Amino acid sequence: EDQVTQSPEALRLQEGESSSLNCSYTVSGLRGLFWYRQDPGKGPEFLFTLYSAGEEKEKERLKATLTKKESFLHITAPKPEDSATYLCAVQAHTGGFKTIFGAGTRLFVKA
Amino acid sequence: DTEVTQTPKHLVMGMTNKKSLKCEQHMGHRAMYWYKQKAKKPPELMFVYSYEKLSINESVPSRFSPECPNSSLLNLHLHALQPEDSALYLCASSQGLTGDSEAFFGQGTRLTVV
Repeated sequence: EDQVTQSPEALRLQEGESSSLNCSYTVSGLRGLFWYRQDPGKGPEFLFTLYSAGEEKEKERLKATLTKKESFLHITAPKPEDSATYLCAVQAHTGGFKTIFGAGTRLFVKA
Repeated sequence: DTEVTQTPKHLVMGMTNKKSLKCEQHMGHRAMYWYKQKAKKPPELMFVYSYEKLSINESVPSRFSPECPNSSLLNLHLHALQPEDSALYLCASSQGLTGDSEAFFGQGTRLTVV
């Protein structure tokens, strides 16, 4: 069964304290892995798509990487405005339009 | 324009009411989705439309009825809902025709069933 597990469930950082969020996945042929940011009461906002192991993408203080079993979202020198829930999602070759979401990591950055 | 617009933002309805949620996108995307999200949980897929045809129904109860009038619009008709149906309802669209592209989400409709 296709599955996505994110860790930790919650992460509290001081402003400027870099860290990483983990997304482990098991799918029958990865078509794509997606990272989204979601603020409370809002819809998820697309951040990155990764398609193959070794791929990396960056956007401001965020960098996403992908291996054959997991993806990391690295946050460098976070600011309070980076506080949000970060969702990882995958699509499998056999899944059609189905996107499987992880439970998310709630990030809190304190000034 | 990379926006998916959902109306209304908030909706309170009784268990005997009939209401509709609306979603609109003008990005030329041919796949549109309805998701349900409970507090502190990830989005759960409900329906997928591809080229205005229903391609996935994730065993959603018949009190939820989707409709895709054209390539830019998606509706979700609600009837005889239960209090446990209270949630954030998200609409999304994607460009990819085989599901291998990112989805753009609307801001959601916060539904409360009383």
